[in-house]
Amino acid sequence: DQQVKQNSPSLSVQEGRISILNCDYTNSMFDYFLWYKKYPAEGPTFLISISSIKDKNEDGRFTVFLNKSAKHLSLHIVPSQPGDSAVYFCAARGHGANSKLTFGKGITLSVRP
Amino acid sequence: DVKVTQSSRYLVKRTGEKVFLECVQDMDHENMFWYRQDPGLGLRLIYFSYDVKMKEKGDIPEGYSVSREKKERFSLILESASTNQTSMYLCASSFRPGRDQNTGELFFGEGSRLTVL
Repeated sequence: DQQVKQNSPSLSVQEGRISILNCDYTNSMFDYFLWYKKYPAEGPTFLISISSIKDKNEDGRFTVFLNKSAKHLSLHIVPSQPGDSAVYFCAARGHGANSKLTFGKGITLSVRP
Repeated sequence: DVKVTQSSRYLVKRTGEKVFLECVQDMDHENMFWYRQDPGLGLRLIYFSYDVKMKEKGDIPEGYSVSREKKERFSLILESASTNQTSMYLCASSFRPGRDQNTGELFFGEGSRLTVL
């Protein structure tokens, strides 16, 4: 049972435009959400996160929106740059000190020059 | 900067061999994790540990075991490697969520690409 879903496997956008990466979840007990970015042959790196008590968090070109009623979050990248081309993973964590992160399958973003 | 170091970037092993993947972190993190990444399947949790000598099964523990004798080191063991264990293996560590208001963000190593022939 997949609790974190990234239904689109890939996205291609033009440099300078907005990239919107979507993520849905099914477990209402998740209280923290994170986005990770991964280049080939490297480990994932943390990008941005949001607590379930918020609906928006912004860090430079990256903004994450959370819609709890729809169990949906999205990552916006504005403006998109060729260096943003990577695989993006959405992850969610439940309550508790020993709770683990559950990852989605990832979205491959390609930013065309 | 947090450093999570995996012992081997690339390994090639034969079916039936015993394989050790080592991971060391230098940030005094309580939690350590082993994931594997496969195309179209994302990151799947194999095992995790929230304290020395403690271990918990993740989503796909079959065919794997782990060892955590010291806080900074978490080892993944394939007792008898099989071709379906060919994958990218990723180690990660984190503080316990809630410690010093920490949110439990994971820090990953660079990965170990294992090929089993």
